[in-house]
Amino acid sequence: RKEVEQDPGPFNVPEGATVAFNCTYSNSASQSFFWYRQDCRKEPKLLMSVYSSGNEDGRFTAQLNRASQYISLLIRDSKLSDSATYLCVVNTWVASGAGSYQLTFGKGTKLSVIP
Amino acid sequence: NAGVTQTPKFQVLKTGQSMTLQCAQDMNHNSMYWYRQDPGMGLRLIYYSASEGTTDKGEVPNGYNVSRLNKREFSLRLESAAPSQTSVYFCASSEAGRGALTDTQYFGPGTRLTVL
Repeated sequence: RKEVEQDPGPFNVPEGATVAFNCTYSNSASQSFFWYRQDCRKEPKLLMSVYSSGNEDGRFTAQLNRASQYISLLIRDSKLSDSATYLCVVNTWVASGAGSYQLTFGKGTKLSVIP
Repeated sequence: NAGVTQTPKFQVLKTGQSMTLQCAQDMNHNSMYWYRQDPGMGLRLIYYSASEGTTDKGEVPNGYNVSRLNKREFSLRLESAAPSQTSVYFCASSEAGRGALTDTQYFGPGTRLTVL
């Protein structure tokens, strides 16, 4: 099982629609989670962090289910400007050596919002 | 406030040539990172630096060297480029680093490298 799995899409949705992406992770020791947004040929930028059960920021809601090891991102009232690739990122403590947190990036889910 | 800057934006190399990718950040962050992003794959860590003068290997370090000259700058060197190193390279920085639960990373605009 891959460490972080996302449906690659593309998700093609009309403006105003609600769309949800899921992300599953394999390491139960993972402790914090992030959604990054990456526009075409640009760098990733942090969209939301998820440390407990969930987080909400305007039209965006992230939810975490530790028992099932998945994170979801819900976008309500989609805008054309939401078109991008959404990266699921998982932060896991790795005990080798002195130990450190390590980020694992999913491959991303591509969203296209259509007029 | 420029954030994280990278040079060059584009580069084409022939197999066996060498080059250095430059990265600088003006956010006074301690930690800096080099990633590569290939089609159909997630970002993969090449090297990490927790502070000036320290570097650690990431997931895919072979074929690369790095140098953390000072707090601001972190460079990535390809000594003998290979076609397998064709990729988009991103530099990132963070305040907290890999010892922290809440490590928010800020990325530079990327360098698109093609090795022929």
